Amino acid sequence: LAKTTQPISMDSYEGQEVNITCSHNNIATNDYITWYQQFPSQGPRFIIQGYKTKVTNEVASLFIPADRKSSTLSLPRVSLSDTAVYYCCNAGNNRKLIWGLGTSLAVNP
Amino acid sequence: NAGVTQTPKFRVLKTGQSMTLLCAQDMNHEYMYWYRQDPGMGLRLIHYSVGEGTTAKGEVPDGYNVSRLKKQNFLLGLESAAPSQTSVYFCASSRTSGGTDTQYFGPGTRLTVL
Repeated sequence: LAKTTQPISMDSYEGQEVNITCSHNNIATNDYITWYQQFPSQGPRFIIQGYKTKVTNEVASLFIPADRKSSTLSLPRVSLSDTAVYYCCNAGNNRKLIWGLGTSLAVNP
Repeated sequence: NAGVTQTPKFRVLKTGQSMTLLCAQDMNHEYMYWYRQDPGMGLRLIHYSVGEGTTAKGEVPDGYNVSRLKKQNFLLGLESAAPSQTSVYFCASSRTSGGTDTQYFGPGTRLTVL
């Protein structure tokens, strides 16, 4: 059964770089890897998506190794407002998104 | 452009009662999804639709029914609510599906079944 696995929680401090790694078992050749962010009492929000190597946008970077069995979301210089739950996803064999259980990131002052 | 909206935001039901959750999107997306989110279990797909007039079962479909009569709306029904259906329900939509899927979520409906 295709699934994604990620740490349950992480702690950091303001101004630090945070890296969250996810494993993607049985990822299909054509699947992209997507990360979402969720704040309390809100729906998840798209952060970044990639297929291989490195992707960067205005809020994060995504690193995907050549074998594509894992991915790492990198948040540069986090602030208190980055405290949220982060989910990694990829499409399973039935073409629906497979979600991880989420990583709860706490950013401390 | 409202994106994805959900009605209602909160609801309390008694066991055995029925209700319908409404999801609407104004992005002309083909695909729509209903998820439930429970503590420690992440997001679980209940039902989804790949276009107007179509529906399909997700990971946890039992006890729920759905309809997609119009492209912009996706309804989730509970015919006889049970305490196990106490959860936060999220609707989402996407332009395409599969490996490049990027989903847009509504704000959620918090349902309590007593």
